[in-house]
Amino acid sequence: AQTVTQSQPEMSVQEAETVTLSCTYDTSESDYYLFWYKQPPSRQMILVIRQEAYKQQNATENRFSVNFQKAAKSFSLKISDSQLGDAAMYFCAYRSPYSGTYKYIFGTGTRLKVLA
Amino acid sequence: EAGVAQSPRYKIIEKRQSVAFWCNPISGHATLYWYQQILGQGPKLLIQFQNNGVVDDSQLPKDRFSAERLKGVDSTLKIQPAKLEDSAVYLCASSLDRTSPEQFFGPGTRLTVL
Repeated sequence: AQTVTQSQPEMSVQEAETVTLSCTYDTSESDYYLFWYKQPPSRQMILVIRQEAYKQQNATENRFSVNFQKAAKSFSLKISDSQLGDAAMYFCAYRSPYSGTYKYIFGTGTRLKVLA
Repeated sequence: EAGVAQSPRYKIIEKRQSVAFWCNPISGHATLYWYQQILGQGPKLLIQFQNNGVVDDSQLPKDRFSAERLKGVDSTLKIQPAKLEDSAVYLCASSLDRTSPEQFFGPGTRLTVL
């Protein structure tokens, strides 16, 4: 069964600095999707960035980028020029494109604090 | 485009009472998901619908939880009777169809069982 592990329960970053959140996963599949979701105190999960495993190029969305290491089964999120509004829980998620139910599997999350 | 709507936002009940949550997905989205998110954990899928049919309910505690999506649009999740361990945030999400990689979440309902 697939698993997603986020080993950092909490991280802090100074405003305008860069921070990296870690995620590792376990799967026997060769093709899949990986996601980072942001969950602010309002509780609504917001998609930050998505990576398809068959793409070698790391995904980038403005200040957010990933370091996808397929062989190591690692998928870290880098936030550049951190802003106060980035403070939230961040969840890493895995989804197989081939599963009959296309189920998402989430990690336990990392709480990011942004210091002014 | 309107997002996923959920109500209520908060609910406090006594154990052994019943409660229902409502979700209206994004218009045109065939797939609807209900997740349970216990404090300090990531969301766990309870049930997945494709139109008005159940695709996956393997993690739904069927002795007390039920869900329906009768007309393939909005959905209701019910807990009867509630237990203390049901205290959680219940998230609804939708996607265009089962194969769509992106799902869109509602604001969630925070349930407290006393």
